Amino acid sequence: GAVVSQHPSRVICKSGTSVKIECRSLDFQATTMFWYRQFPKQSLMLMATSNEGSKATYEQGVEKDKFLINHASLTLSTLTVTSAHPEDSSFYICSADRGQVNTEAFFGQGTRLTVV
Amino acid sequence: GDSVTQMEGPVTLSEEAFLTINCTYTATGYPSLFWYVQYPGEGLQLLLKATKADDKGSNKGFEATYRKETTSFHLEKGSVQVSDSAVYFCALSDQTGFQKLVFGTGTRLLVSP
Repeated sequence: GAVVSQHPSRVICKSGTSVKIECRSLDFQATTMFWYRQFPKQSLMLMATSNEGSKATYEQGVEKDKFLINHASLTLSTLTVTSAHPEDSSFYICSADRGQVNTEAFFGQGTRLTVV
Repeated sequence: GDSVTQMEGPVTLSEEAFLTINCTYTATGYPSLFWYVQYPGEGLQLLLKATKADDKGSNKGFEATYRKETTSFHLEKGSVQVSDSAVYFCALSDQTGFQKLVFGTGTRLLVSP
């Protein structure tokens, strides 16, 4: 099956700093990538949809200036959490779409972010 | 909006026990339903899916039937193995693309020898 690699798997950062998370499709071109977030004991929630070469579409309630998404190529999307605060501590996971109808998306391993 | 509710875990079973993980959904249309599994250190993998009422998805001994009348998609396996220990996510998509998903909270399954 298709492989999506997400890096890093865990990161601890200081409050006020920025953290970048990468999502790569290793063996296919991803026209669309999705970013999800999961707080403890809650569902994975879609944050944004990113399309290669265009601006990301953010879900309601997600601050686009805080969560910067760049999808500069067909194999790489990045999520940057800017000026991170402890309440941003969460599990972030990406998925990538091959662009084929009625096929599932493929997920990365996820990133556990802890802001101290 | 659409939502998915699944049972809290962890679910702890002995090897060869019967497994049920409950999942119910709320959706305005006719969604497709999925079970994803996440093994330690890996990404979510699609386990099975069903696209219309009364469809049964199955894979690796796991089964789930799309029950429109009860808005449920419970995951079952007749005899679990230690290697089934993982987190299981129920999800739905109201789009034909299957990529934009609404997830449940996930249920951790722990199987002991």
